Amino acid sequence: NAGVTQTPKFRILKIGQSMTLQCTQDMNHNYMYWYRQDPGMGLKLIYYSVGAGITDKGEVPNGYNVSRSTTEDFPLRLELAAPSQTSVYFCASSYSSGQGDYGAFFGQGTRLTVV
Amino acid sequence: AQSVAQPEDQVNVAEGNPLTVKCTYSVSGNPYLFWYVQYPNRGLQFLLKYITGDNLVKGSYGFEAEFNKSQTSFHLKKPSALVSDSALYFCAVRDPPGRRALTFGSGTRLQVQP
Repeated sequence: NAGVTQTPKFRILKIGQSMTLQCTQDMNHNYMYWYRQDPGMGLKLIYYSVGAGITDKGEVPNGYNVSRSTTEDFPLRLELAAPSQTSVYFCASSYSSGQGDYGAFFGQGTRLTVV
Repeated sequence: AQSVAQPEDQVNVAEGNPLTVKCTYSVSGNPYLFWYVQYPNRGLQFLLKYITGDNLVKGSYGFEAEFNKSQTSFHLKKPSALVSDSALYFCAVRDPPGRRALTFGSGTRLQVQP
């Protein structure tokens, strides 16, 4: 299994440009998440989805948009890139609860720099 | 709101010595707690979890964690550290039912010296 796959791994954007970070998972997980990781700040939740067609905001959604047209895919859109969006972005997915709960499975991350 | 705190930015330990990485939590209701490890330029990897049951939980790579309800702590431990354990460690708590996201601590960098 590939697990959670993110593309691209690295990207440099100019201020005002837009881009889409791709995320796909092959584990048939209902729940998917986007986090950003800033140095010394841990991970902050940007958006999440509980299933195809359903998305909602996390703690830091401003400047981002998401869609969930299929169970597998959960792209993150940056419309007008700003230097404050320089970060490492992680996509994650989860399914089970209770004893089968492994928290979440993470992709390898996208390192984004806005200049 | 739920939260976890990792009071140490960095922990240094000599190879072969026991290690402890600290985590305290604040939740309403029963906590679902997790530890993850992150190696350079990699995503987070699951180490272990506490859902219910024994207060000492065992996980991957010889790590274990002790859940202490009275102290609201969930410290990560290993009896004998390896240089290869050097990484960034995150404690996390599961959100209440519905969102099921994880709320993370700020992370602790573990440095194991040869």
